[in-house]
Amino acid sequence: ELKVEQNPLFLSMQEGKNYTIYCNYSTTSDRLYWYRQDPGKSLESLFVLLSNGAVKQEGRLMASLDTKARLSTLHITAAVHDLSATYFCAVGLNSGYALNFGKGTSLLVTP
Amino acid sequence: DADVTQTPRNRITKTGKRIMLECSQTKGHDRMYWYRQDPGLGLRLIYYSFDVKDINKGEISDGYSVSRQAQAKFSLSLESAIPNQTALYFCATSPPGGQPQHFGDGTRLSIL
Repeated sequence: ELKVEQNPLFLSMQEGKNYTIYCNYSTTSDRLYWYRQDPGKSLESLFVLLSNGAVKQEGRLMASLDTKARLSTLHITAAVHDLSATYFCAVGLNSGYALNFGKGTSLLVTP
Repeated sequence: DADVTQTPRNRITKTGKRIMLECSQTKGHDRMYWYRQDPGLGLRLIYYSFDVKDINKGEISDGYSVSRQAQAKFSLSLESAIPNQTALYFCATSPPGGQPQHFGDGTRLSIL
């Protein structure tokens, strides 16, 4: 059974600070996704990581994947209030493209 | 118009009722999925379909059934709703090749 664990589950950080969200998974997989969800909204795709060592960056967010350690990170640089949301990592099963999601990290950026 | 449309957006019903949630998409994707989201639990996969003739159970399929009426339509049914099926339900689609899934706006279902 594929398990996906995110930490922390809740994160309150000040504007301008840096922080990293971690996503560990239990079974070999070659695809990992990061999504953002605003309150009451749907999920928006942020990054797709399809190989070991993959790194993707968009604005103040950078995601990386280490398939050997079964670990992905989402790094936030110089946080701003607009980044407040819940962030999910999701891992694809090798047998297809169904996803297993982590429980999400609820991020609040305060002045 | 949204690429992935879910109806209804909100539904309140009583225990024991049969409920159908509908999902339609204009993205032309073969793969479609149903998830439920509960606070603090993330999204859990209920059923998924890779084409009209291929339907697979997910992690939490008990109490649910699905129908893939066409490439563009994938419906989720609760045959006899119970209160612990109260949740936010999402439909999603994806192309092949590992590209990300695209989610609908969700259906908020409350069972009294």
